[in-house]
Amino acid sequence: GESVGLHLPTLSVQEGDNSIINCAYSNSASDYFIWYKQESGKGPQFIIDIRSNMDKRQGQRVTVLLNKTVKHLSLQIAATQPGDSAVYFCAENTSGGTSYGKLTFGQGTILTVHP
Amino acid sequence: EAGVAQSPRYKIIEKRQSVAFWCNPISGHATLYWYQQILGQGPKLLIQFQNNGVVDDSQLPKDRFSAERLKGVDSTLKIQPAKLEDSAVYLCASSWAGGGTGDEQYFGPGTRLTVT
Repeated sequence: GESVGLHLPTLSVQEGDNSIINCAYSNSASDYFIWYKQESGKGPQFIIDIRSNMDKRQGQRVTVLLNKTVKHLSLQIAATQPGDSAVYFCAENTSGGTSYGKLTFGQGTILTVHP
Repeated sequence: EAGVAQSPRYKIIEKRQSVAFWCNPISGHATLYWYQQILGQGPKLLIQFQNNGVVDDSQLPKDRFSAERLKGVDSTLKIQPAKLEDSAVYLCASSWAGGGTGDEQYFGPGTRLTVT
């Protein structure tokens, strides 16, 4: 079936650097994309989302880019901090024009930030 | 605002035994979701409720898994009998509406199940 995948399973950066986490998706019908952060022993936590009619969205220290031509999603974290260390998942939401959404998660990328 | 509550946090059982998980969503949230997260993977949707009705249970192994949300609030997920491959974290999430575009899902801490 169609799924969301990630290019890199691990990413290690120095504190203060910028981080970029990538994600490839295959379902062209997906209309909404979300990035989640999951710390050990906790459930996924919403970071930022983007709708399919946009190509960029910015939040506090985070930016999500969407390239529908190549079905690619990325999460940029500016000035990465040790507290950003976690597993990051991208997820695609397929509503099919209804009010119900179904999330499909990717494999995840482990981000480690070194002080 | 209180988050999504789940219990127990940890459970160890032997294969072929039964187990049940409980979830209390955020007050007022109409939609409740159960996900299975196997170690090293992203969460996989098992079942989605809108109030007390099932919206999607296409990935629920119905021969052994069951879930209910009788009064449209709390929910229980049961596995009977458990298999070794059911070892995973079971996450409950809730959202205000139907989970469509812009409707954020809030996740609980999960129940870690180990089947021996």
